[in-house]
Amino acid sequence: QITLKESGPTLVKPTQTLTLTCTFSGFSLSTSGVGVGWIRQPPGKALEWLALIYWDDDKRYSPSLKSRLTITKDTSKNQVVLTMTNMDPVDTATYYCAHFLYSSKGYYFDYWGQGTLVTVSS
Amino acid sequence: SYELTQPPSVSVSPGQTARITCSGDALPKKYAYWYQQKSGQAPVLVIYEDSKRPSGIPERFSGSSSGTMATLTISGAQVEDEADYYCYSTDSSGNAVFGGGTQLTVL
Repeated sequence: QITLKESGPTLVKPTQTLTLTCTFSGFSLSTSGVGVGWIRQPPGKALEWLALIYWDDDKRYSPSLKSRLTITKDTSKNQVVLTMTNMDPVDTATYYCAHFLYSSKGYYFDYWGQGTLVTVSS
Repeated sequence: SYELTQPPSVSVSPGQTARITCSGDALPKKYAYWYQQKSGQAPVLVIYEDSKRPSGIPERFSGSSSGTMATLTISGAQVEDEADYYCYSTDSSGNAVFGGGTQLTVL
């Protein structure tokens, strides 16, 4: 059974760096064809993909946020960490991590964490 | 940047068929996926690879894709199907893209 859980601060100040950890079980990030991604959702708004990391350590970032994001994995700890610099109130959102499967015509998120609400405010 | 376009809202009566569309230029070459998100909950995958249904998803959920448009169909919509639905795909550069979401009302 695949499970994922996000952890990190619930409140950050503007200009600070956000660090979120996704701790998962039920799969290994060393298995070919799998990975973990981060998606966020501002209150009342749509889902927005942020970043993902493949089993082979390849990484992808949202073009609009690429300069602010870093994603890393620790296979031995079953964790993926996302950092986002220079936080702003518009970054207030629920942040989800999700397991994804890679296929010949793309990849998709099949298991999601419960999400963690991050508020950016001074 | 690549976009997937969905109608903001769809409304049907219980037992009717609900259809939610998603248009995107890359859909002829990329799979479409659909997520259901109920209030306060994480998204749940209801259709993958255009038309496949994950285990545990009711048969009334189906998907199709033709040209630049993908469609999620809920045959005999139930009150419990009321939720936001998001289409999803990837672009030619390997970036993930979500549609803007469609609020389905069943009443």
